[in-house]
Amino acid sequence: NAGVTQTPKFQVLKTGQSMTLQCAQDMNHNSMYWYRQDPGMGLRLIYYSASEGTTDKGEVPNGYNVSRLNKREFSLRLESAAPSQTSVYFCASSDRGYYGYTFGSGTRLTVV
Amino acid sequence: KNQVEQSPQSLIILEGKNCTLQCNYTVSPFSNLRWYKQDTGRGPVSLTIMTFSENTKSNGRYTATLDADTKQSSLHITASQLSDSASYICVVRNSGNTPLVFGKGTRLSVIA
Repeated sequence: NAGVTQTPKFQVLKTGQSMTLQCAQDMNHNSMYWYRQDPGMGLRLIYYSASEGTTDKGEVPNGYNVSRLNKREFSLRLESAAPSQTSVYFCASSDRGYYGYTFGSGTRLTVV
Repeated sequence: KNQVEQSPQSLIILEGKNCTLQCNYTVSPFSNLRWYKQDTGRGPVSLTIMTFSENTKSNGRYTATLDADTKQSSLHITASQLSDSASYICVVRNSGNTPLVFGKGTRLSVIA
């Protein structure tokens, strides 16, 4: 089925470890996004890529880096994980920002 | 500050009953308003997108209304089903190149 695929679905890290969250979309969308969702809060934008070759900071970029590898793939890297980064991470894509976003099923990350 | 406020925070209704969820926003200038449904453990899925000129839009048993003058929207669910149990998120986009503004969601539980 067409959509946004995120890997892994679950991950437990120790403080200070690094990891990369992967995201791929097969809808030929130009824009891709990384969000985090915490209890009692709305989704918050970490980074986005309006088009292949560009990335921009969102609302909460500290502690993260991203790579738009090609039009399909947009990865999120935690260089040195902290407990405050325990969250559910969602990748999304859109054809253009005006239109609806398609979200992945999320990665539940726990940092201990 | 651009904000989206949703009410109630949570709601429990009996199967077969109707309900209405509210969304107030301060996002300006306004471009469009979206309602998403998020099942537990899944990513948000778009229900409707409404522009400034649209004041009602339906998607099956879901009907969204928009009053751009008062900056209010509602999502009405008719003849609720157990599968309607989810979080419903109101999201507003402004007409500039800025990220979407997400509400915190309303958690709906439909019980038999």
